[in-house]
Amino acid sequence: EAQVTQNPRYLITVTGKKLTVTCSQNMNHEYMSWYRQDPGLGLRQIYYSMNVEVTDKGDVPEGYKVSRKEKRNFPLILESPSPNQTSLYFCASRPSGRPNEQFFGPGTRLTVL
Amino acid sequence: QKEVEQDPGPLSVPEGAIVSLNCTYSNSAFQYFMWYRQYSRKGPELLMYTYSSGNKEDGRFTAQVDKSSKYISLFIRDSQPSDSATYLCAMRVGSSNTGKLIFGQGTTLQVKP
Repeated sequence: EAQVTQNPRYLITVTGKKLTVTCSQNMNHEYMSWYRQDPGLGLRQIYYSMNVEVTDKGDVPEGYKVSRKEKRNFPLILESPSPNQTSLYFCASRPSGRPNEQFFGPGTRLTVL
Repeated sequence: QKEVEQDPGPLSVPEGAIVSLNCTYSNSAFQYFMWYRQYSRKGPELLMYTYSSGNKEDGRFTAQVDKSSKYISLFIRDSQPSDSATYLCAMRVGSSNTGKLIFGQGTTLQVKP
């Protein structure tokens, strides 16, 4: 089944404790991105990657890091999480040449205490 | 002012009603307009997209774009309880290499049996 998977689905952590949210897709898509979804603000792009070893900042990149060492994986790293990073996070992928058709993962609910 | 505005609702209608969901936007360079549906505890999924102005129909769903008014709509005919979800509009500039999507805040729809 074609899908985007994220782990963990739920995470409660404390301020300053480094964490990684994994994202993997099995559709051989070139383009991957991370979003956060907050009430009243909608989906905002954090980082995106147009292919392996090619990443760039989205609209809200502060406090996040990403890497793209393999085509299928695009982990999101929070090196020193803070309470304002409490949010619902989505990974998405799409094939190049079809920018309207993003496939989203199931989401990761992160709470930073 | 947000680039894309969407009334968050919630919108509650009886089964069988015609539903109208709307977004307004400020960037006249937007050329592609999408509607995503997001069920509770799930990632968004693409419903349909349109290019420039006009209508597009897919089953019970019709997307309408009025570029002169910077206004887009999604109509749902014969609404069903299974249509209960949050509906997100999204749009992008056609010339962008990154295919970056700008999302509205989402409208929560409840269809009551």
